[in-house]
Amino acid sequence: DQQVKQNSPSLSVQEGRISILNCDYTNSMFDYFLWYKKYPAEGPTFLISISSIKDKNEDGRFTVFLNKSAKHLSLHIVPSQPGDSAVYFCAASGAGNMLTFGGGTRLMVKP
Amino acid sequence: DAGVIQSPRHEVTEMGQEVTLRCKPISGHDYLFWYRQTMMRGLELLIYFNNNVPIDDSGMPEDRFSAKMPNASFSTLKIQPSEPRDSAVYFCASSGQGPHSSYEQYFGPGTRLTVT
Repeated sequence: DQQVKQNSPSLSVQEGRISILNCDYTNSMFDYFLWYKKYPAEGPTFLISISSIKDKNEDGRFTVFLNKSAKHLSLHIVPSQPGDSAVYFCAASGAGNMLTFGGGTRLMVKP
Repeated sequence: DAGVIQSPRHEVTEMGQEVTLRCKPISGHDYLFWYRQTMMRGLELLIYFNNNVPIDDSGMPEDRFSAKMPNASFSTLKIQPSEPRDSAVYFCASSGQGPHSSYEQYFGPGTRLTVT
Protein backbone atom coordinates (compact mmCIF):
# COMPACT_ATOMS: atom_id res chain seq x y z
CA ASP A 1 0.00 0.00 0.00
CA GLN A 2 1.53 3.26 -1.17
CA GLN A 3 1.30 5.81 1.63
CA VAL A 4 2.72 8.61 -0.52
CA LYS A 5 1.56 8.93 -4.10
CA GLN A 6 2.55 11.13 -7.00
CA ASN A 7 -0.09 10.40 -9.58
CA SER A 8 1.53 12.25 -12.46
CA PRO A 9 4.60 10.39 -13.72
CA SER A 10 5.57 13.31 -15.95
CA LEU A 11 4.89 17.00 -16.53
CA SER A 12 5.94 19.25 -19.38
CA VAL A 13 6.02 23.04 -18.93
CA GLN A 14 7.21 25.98 -20.99
CA GLU A 15 10.12 28.00 -19.65
CA GLY A 16 8.93 30.96 -17.59
CA ARG A 17 5.59 29.39 -16.73
CA ILE A 18 4.55 27.81 -13.44
CA SER A 19 5.22 24.15 -12.69
CA ILE A 20 2.88 22.49 -10.20
CA LEU A 21 3.78 19.07 -8.87
CA ASN A 22 1.29 17.23 -6.70
CA CYS A 23 1.55 14.64 -3.95
CA ASP A 24 -1.07 12.81 -1.88
CA TYR A 25 -0.60 10.84 1.30
CA THR A 26 -2.77 8.51 3.32
CA ASN A 27 -1.09 8.28 6.70
CA SER A 28 -2.48 10.92 9.06
CA MET A 29 0.54 10.42 11.35
CA PHE A 30 2.86 12.11 8.85
CA ASP A 31 3.86 15.50 10.23
CA TYR A 32 6.76 16.62 8.09
CA PHE A 33 7.00 16.72 4.33
CA LEU A 34 9.89 17.22 1.96
CA TRP A 35 10.57 17.61 -1.73
CA TYR A 36 13.69 16.22 -3.37
CA LYS A 37 15.04 16.80 -6.86
CA LYS A 38 16.97 14.14 -8.73
CA TYR A 39 19.10 14.50 -11.84
CA PRO A 40 20.17 11.41 -13.84
CA ALA A 41 23.11 9.51 -12.37
CA GLU A 42 22.95 11.54 -9.15
CA GLY A 43 21.36 11.02 -5.77
CA PRO A 44 18.25 12.95 -4.76
CA THR A 45 18.97 16.41 -3.32
CA PHE A 46 16.84 18.11 -0.69
CA LEU A 47 14.83 21.01 -2.07
CA ILE A 48 12.27 22.30 0.42
CA SER A 49 10.25 21.08 3.36
CA ILE A 50 7.16 21.94 5.39
CA SER A 51 5.94 21.06 8.84
CA SER A 52 2.34 20.03 9.38
CA ILE A 53 1.80 23.12 11.55
CA LYS A 54 2.18 25.28 8.46
CA ASP A 55 0.28 25.43 5.20
CA LYS A 56 2.92 27.18 3.10
CA ASN A 57 6.68 27.46 2.90
CA GLU A 58 8.54 29.51 0.35
CA ASP A 59 12.16 29.51 -0.77
CA GLY A 60 12.94 31.64 -3.77
CA ARG A 61 11.19 30.24 -6.83
CA PHE A 62 9.96 27.22 -4.89
CA THR A 63 6.83 27.13 -2.73
CA VAL A 64 5.31 24.12 -1.04
CA PHE A 65 1.65 24.11 -0.02
CA LEU A 66 0.14 21.68 2.45
CA ASN A 67 -3.56 20.89 2.76
CA LYS A 68 -3.85 18.61 5.77
CA SER A 69 -7.57 18.03 5.50
CA ALA A 70 -7.12 16.78 1.95
CA LYS A 71 -3.82 15.04 2.74
CA HIS A 72 -2.34 16.80 -0.23
CA LEU A 73 0.77 18.82 -0.87
CA SER A 74 2.06 20.58 -3.93
CA LEU A 75 5.28 22.13 -5.12
CA HIS A 76 5.11 25.29 -7.20
CA ILE A 77 8.08 26.45 -9.25
CA VAL A 78 7.79 29.98 -10.60
CA PRO A 79 9.20 30.80 -13.06
CA SER A 80 10.25 27.43 -14.37
CA GLN A 81 13.71 27.16 -15.92
CA PRO A 82 15.25 24.48 -18.17
CA GLY A 83 17.65 23.60 -15.34
CA ASP A 84 14.65 22.58 -13.25
CA SER A 85 14.15 19.58 -15.53
CA ALA A 86 14.56 16.60 -13.22
CA VAL A 87 12.60 13.99 -11.32
CA TYR A 88 10.90 15.37 -8.22
CA PHE A 89 10.08 13.18 -5.24
CA CYS A 90 7.86 14.09 -2.35
CA ALA A 91 8.56 12.42 0.97
CA ALA A 92 6.82 12.26 4.31
CA SER A 93 7.90 11.54 7.85
CA GLY A 94 5.97 10.59 10.98
CA ALA A 95 7.41 9.30 14.20
CA GLY A 96 11.08 8.54 13.91
CA ASN A 97 13.42 9.59 11.16
CA MET A 98 12.24 7.40 8.34
CA LEU A 99 11.07 8.97 5.11
CA THR A 100 8.43 7.47 2.86
CA PHE A 101 8.89 8.54 -0.75
CA GLY A 102 6.43 8.95 -3.56
CA GLY A 103 7.12 7.43 -6.97
CA GLY A 104 8.41 10.67 -8.48
CA THR A 105 7.31 13.06 -11.23
CA ARG A 106 9.57 13.80 -14.17
CA LEU A 107 9.45 17.53 -14.96
CA MET A 108 10.53 18.74 -18.37
CA VAL A 109 10.89 22.49 -18.85
CA LYS A 110 11.04 23.41 -22.50
CA PRO A 111 13.01 26.48 -23.61
CA ASP B 1 32.64 18.30 3.25
CA ALA B 2 32.64 16.00 0.21
CA GLY B 3 29.12 14.82 0.89
CA VAL B 4 28.05 11.22 1.13
CA ILE B 5 30.50 8.96 -0.68
CA GLN B 6 29.51 5.64 -2.18
CA SER B 7 31.61 3.00 -3.88
CA PRO B 8 31.64 1.48 -6.34
CA ARG B 9 29.55 3.67 -8.65
CA HIS B 10 28.82 0.72 -10.91
CA GLU B 11 28.96 -2.99 -10.19
CA VAL B 12 28.31 -5.80 -12.63
CA THR B 13 28.37 -9.29 -11.25
CA GLU B 14 27.11 -12.75 -11.99
CA MET B 15 24.27 -14.40 -10.20
CA GLY B 16 25.42 -16.16 -7.06
CA GLN B 17 28.33 -13.85 -6.39
CA GLU B 18 28.72 -11.76 -3.25
CA VAL B 19 28.33 -8.01 -3.64
CA THR B 20 29.47 -5.40 -1.12
CA LEU B 21 28.42 -1.77 -1.41
CA ARG B 22 30.17 0.88 0.66
CA CYS B 23 29.15 4.22 2.11
CA LYS B 24 30.87 7.05 3.94
CA PRO B 25 28.34 9.43 5.52
CA ILE B 26 28.81 13.15 6.05
CA SER B 27 31.03 13.77 9.04
CA GLY B 28 28.98 14.55 12.15
CA HIS B 29 25.80 12.95 10.87
CA ASP B 30 24.47 10.29 13.19
CA TYR B 31 21.79 8.75 10.96
CA LEU B 32 22.60 6.56 7.98
CA PHE B 33 20.06 5.13 5.54
CA TRP B 34 20.27 2.56 2.76
CA TYR B 35 17.73 2.79 -0.08
CA ARG B 36 17.07 0.85 -3.23
CA GLN B 37 15.54 2.38 -6.34
CA THR B 38 13.83 0.30 -9.00
CA MET B 39 11.35 1.12 -11.73
CA MET B 40 8.71 -1.09 -10.16
CA ARG B 41 9.02 -0.09 -6.50
CA GLY B 42 10.52 3.38 -6.68
CA LEU B 43 12.73 4.50 -3.80
CA GLU B 44 12.40 2.16 -0.86
CA LEU B 45 14.14 2.24 2.50
CA LEU B 46 16.05 -0.93 3.30
CA ILE B 47 17.59 -0.19 6.70
CA TYR B 48 18.71 2.73 8.81
CA PHE B 49 21.21 3.25 11.62
CA ASN B 50 21.40 5.75 14.45
CA ASN B 51 24.78 6.17 16.13
CA ASN B 52 25.98 3.03 14.32
CA VAL B 53 23.12 0.91 15.70
CA PRO B 54 20.56 -0.59 13.29
CA ILE B 55 17.16 0.84 14.17
CA ASP B 56 14.82 -0.52 11.53
CA ASP B 57 15.66 -3.23 9.01
CA SER B 58 12.11 -4.10 8.07
CA GLY B 59 12.77 -3.02 4.51
CA MET B 60 15.55 -5.53 3.94
CA PRO B 61 14.05 -7.87 1.36
CA GLU B 62 15.44 -11.16 2.63
CA ASP B 63 18.25 -12.83 4.49
CA ARG B 64 20.56 -12.50 1.52
CA PHE B 65 20.84 -8.83 2.42
CA SER B 66 22.85 -7.61 5.39
CA ALA B 67 24.16 -4.23 6.50
CA LYS B 68 26.75 -3.16 9.01
CA MET B 69 28.06 0.08 10.41
CA PRO B 70 31.26 -0.66 12.31
CA ASN B 71 31.96 3.02 12.99
CA ALA B 72 30.51 6.47 12.43
CA SER B 73 32.25 6.95 9.09
CA PHE B 74 31.61 3.68 7.28
CA SER B 75 28.77 1.34 6.39
CA THR B 76 28.39 -1.64 4.10
CA LEU B 77 25.45 -3.32 2.42
CA LYS B 78 26.14 -6.90 1.41
CA ILE B 79 24.15 -9.19 -0.85
CA GLN B 80 25.06 -12.84 -0.75
CA PRO B 81 24.27 -14.59 -3.00
CA SER B 82 23.18 -11.99 -5.52
CA GLU B 83 20.29 -12.58 -7.92
CA PRO B 84 19.24 -10.79 -11.14
CA ARG B 85 16.22 -9.27 -9.35
CA ASP B 86 18.64 -7.41 -7.07
CA SER B 87 19.63 -5.23 -10.02
CA ALA B 88 18.86 -1.66 -8.99
CA VAL B 89 20.45 1.60 -7.90
CA TYR B 90 21.38 1.55 -4.22
CA PHE B 91 21.62 4.86 -2.40
CA CYS B 92 23.13 5.69 0.92
CA ALA B 93 21.98 8.82 2.77
CA SER B 94 22.88 10.49 6.05
CA SER B 95 21.33 13.11 8.28
CA GLY B 96 22.15 15.01 11.47
CA GLN B 97 20.58 15.99 14.75
CA GLY B 98 18.08 18.73 15.44
CA PRO B 99 14.30 19.19 15.41
CA HIS B 100 13.98 18.67 11.72
CA SER B 101 17.48 18.42 10.37
CA SER B 102 17.34 14.69 10.94
CA TYR B 103 14.57 14.53 8.36
CA GLU B 104 16.66 16.28 5.72
CA GLN B 105 18.67 13.44 4.36
CA TYR B 106 21.68 13.92 2.12
CA PHE B 107 22.11 11.27 -0.53
CA GLY B 108 25.18 9.81 -2.13
CA PRO B 109 25.43 9.39 -5.91
CA GLY B 110 24.31 5.77 -5.74
CA THR B 111 25.70 2.43 -6.85
CA ARG B 112 24.18 0.94 -9.98
CA LEU B 113 24.17 -2.82 -9.50
CA THR B 114 23.62 -5.21 -12.39
CA VAL B 115 23.40 -8.91 -11.68
CA THR B 116 23.51 -11.11 -14.78
